Amino acid sequence: SQQGEEDPQALSIQEGENATMNCSYKTSINNLQWYRQNSGRGLVHLILIRSNEREKHSGRLRVTLDTSKKSSSLLITASRAADTASYFCATLHLGGSQGNLIFGKGTKLSVKP
Amino acid sequence: DGGITQSPKYLFRKEGQNVTLSCEQNLNHDAMYWYRQDPGQGLRLIYYSQIVNDFQKGDIAEGYSVSREKKESFPLTVTSAQKNPTAFYLCASSIVDSRDEKLFFGSGTQLSVL
Repeated sequence: SQQGEEDPQALSIQEGENATMNCSYKTSINNLQWYRQNSGRGLVHLILIRSNEREKHSGRLRVTLDTSKKSSSLLITASRAADTASYFCATLHLGGSQGNLIFGKGTKLSVKP
Repeated sequence: DGGITQSPKYLFRKEGQNVTLSCEQNLNHDAMYWYRQDPGQGLRLIYYSQIVNDFQKGDIAEGYSVSREKKESFPLTVTSAQKNPTAFYLCASSIVDSRDEKLFFGSGTQLSVL
C-alpha cells in the first residue's frame, strides 16, 4: 500500500501566486522527501526533511512536517510558469532502507502566465 | 557530466517477447533502483540493488528480472510473463551510507505493447 498521499490531485494557479501541496502518510517515518517531475521526464529531488525537523527552506520552497498528524506540506512561493510539473512526496519508514522509499500519486501543478 | 542514462527513450514489445531496458550511471553510486509509473500514479518499486551481484525484489517484481554485474549498470528485462507491461519505467541511483540520501533519476523509458 502506498505510504504517502498528496492532495490536491491537481492545482491551477496564476504566476506570482503561492502553491501549497500536502502529503499524508500512515506509519512512522525516518524522513520525507519531495520530488518534481516534468511531463515525460525523470524525477528531480527538491528537498528532504528528517523526522526530527519541523520546517525546512530551500530558495522558494518551504517544507513543513507534523509527525503528530503524519503530514507534510510543500509551499512554492511566487510561482512561475516553469514550476508547472507534478510534485511527489516520498517517505522512508523507520527501519527501512532506500529500497523502501514509498511514493505518493503526486499533485499536478499548472502555473498560468 | 555525471548522471544516469536510460535507453531507449521509447520501446515497443510484441506479444511473447522479452525486452531489456538499459540503465547506466557514472555517479559512483552503490545502490540502483527500477520503478514503474502508470499514468496518474506514483512510482512502484520493481527491483533494487545495493551492491554488485546482489539485488532484492520490490513490490511488483513478478514478470521482471534484473542483473547487477557491474556497479555502473542495472538492466531490467520485461519478460513475456508480465501481462501488462505498458508503463513509464524509471531507473534511479543513490549512495547507501545514509538513510538521508536522495535518489537521482534517469529520464525514463516508455514501454508500449504492439
